[in-house]
Formats: sequence, C-alpha cells, structure tokens
Amino acid sequence: EVQLVESGGGLVQPGGSLRLSCAASGFTFSNYLMTWVRQAPGKGLEWVSSISRRSTGTYYADSVKGRFTISRDNSKNTVYLQMNSLRAEDTAVYYCATDTRGDDWGQGTLVTVSS
Amino acid sequence: DIQMTQSPSSLSASVGDRVTITCRASQDISTWVAWYQQKSEKAPKSLIYAASSLQSGVPSRFSGSGSGTHFTLTISSLQPEDFATYYCQQYNSYPLTFGGGTKVEIK
Repeated sequence: EVQLVESGGGLVQPGGSLRLSCAASGFTFSNYLMTWVRQAPGKGLEWVSSISRRSTGTYYADSVKGRFTISRDNSKNTVYLQMNSLRAEDTAVYYCATDTRGDDWGQGTLVTVSS
Repeated sequence: DIQMTQSPSSLSASVGDRVTITCRASQDISTWVAWYQQKSEKAPKSLIYAASSLQSGVPSRFSGSGSGTHFTLTISSLQPEDFATYYCQQYNSYPLTFGGGTKVEIK
C-alpha cells in the first residue's frame, strides 16, 4: 500500500523559513517523479513544485520560484520542500503526491504564515 | 500557461442522478488530464488519469472522456458518498494547472 506522510508544517512569521518532508513507502520511490501541491484555506488546488526521479529536473510555480527549493533523497525515500521568505499568501495545506498525475497523495501538513 | 476552465462551479443533484462536469483547456493537451475527488478538506483522491483511465478501486460509475481541449467527468448514478468537490488537472506541461473545482451538493 502506498503511503505518503508529510511533516514539518507549523506557524511561522512572515519572512521565515520551514522545511517540509514527505516520507514515502509501499512503492519504489526512486522510480517516481514527486510533486508538491498546496491548498489555501477555502480555496482550490495549486501546483507548487515537482522533481524528477534522479533530481535532474526541478520545476516551480512562478509564485514560489526563487523562494522554495524541492529536493529528494532516494536512499531515505523522502522528498523535501525548503520554503524561505515565507509570505502570508503561502498559508495553506501542503500535500505531496506521486508523479505529475497525482495517483497518490499524503494527508497534508498545514503551514500558517502569520505574525 | 495552460488554463483549465471547469464548469459548473457547483451543482445540486439527487441520489441516482447522472452528473457531468466539464473542463476546457486553453490549448491542445491531448489526453493528459486527471480528475480528483476531495471531501471536506481531506486529501484529494485520484479518480481518472489519461482522460479516461479509471484508477484502481474507483467505482465504475465514474468515467472520463475527451481529448484535445474538451474533457468531461461523468458520474452515471450519484451515490451519497459522491457528494464532494471535483477537480480536473492538466499534466501536459509545466506549470501543472487545476480547474477551479466543482462542488456537488445534495438537492
């Protein structure tokens, strides 16, 4: 059974940083591109970033480019999202998902950016 | 960027009704479309990929169709557990983009 477990969310002040993690199990992690998607309170889904199987390709939404960095450690079956210079509009539940077509999703982790 | 225009934004239907949700892409995306169901701010659940392929374990009352710029998700006979919000998503190219969502409510 595929399991994706996000962690690292919390309350952070504007301008601060957080690092999200997504631990994967139940499938061959290194065979899959991984994606982060977020959902602001009461809003729809927004793609944030994706990373290729061997980290040779990373992709970002314009809204986070230059502030967020996606990475992965295939030896630990984990994908990360380093979030710097956080803004109030980054407040959302952050989900990790497999591939670009989102076959499987984690339960999400809430990031709140507020003073 | 490819825009995904989803309609309607909400609908009311009764158990047993046939429901159709539409997504239009701003350019040709072949069949690179996925559909998701989301209940009460829980994690989205994948229903359909490649426009018409049913994910394992998803009931056969769900179906997807379309190619190019016009796509539909159909629920052939709405069940109580189907009341939720549905999203389309294109994965033809980056940035990946979602439709605005369709909230299916009980009439």
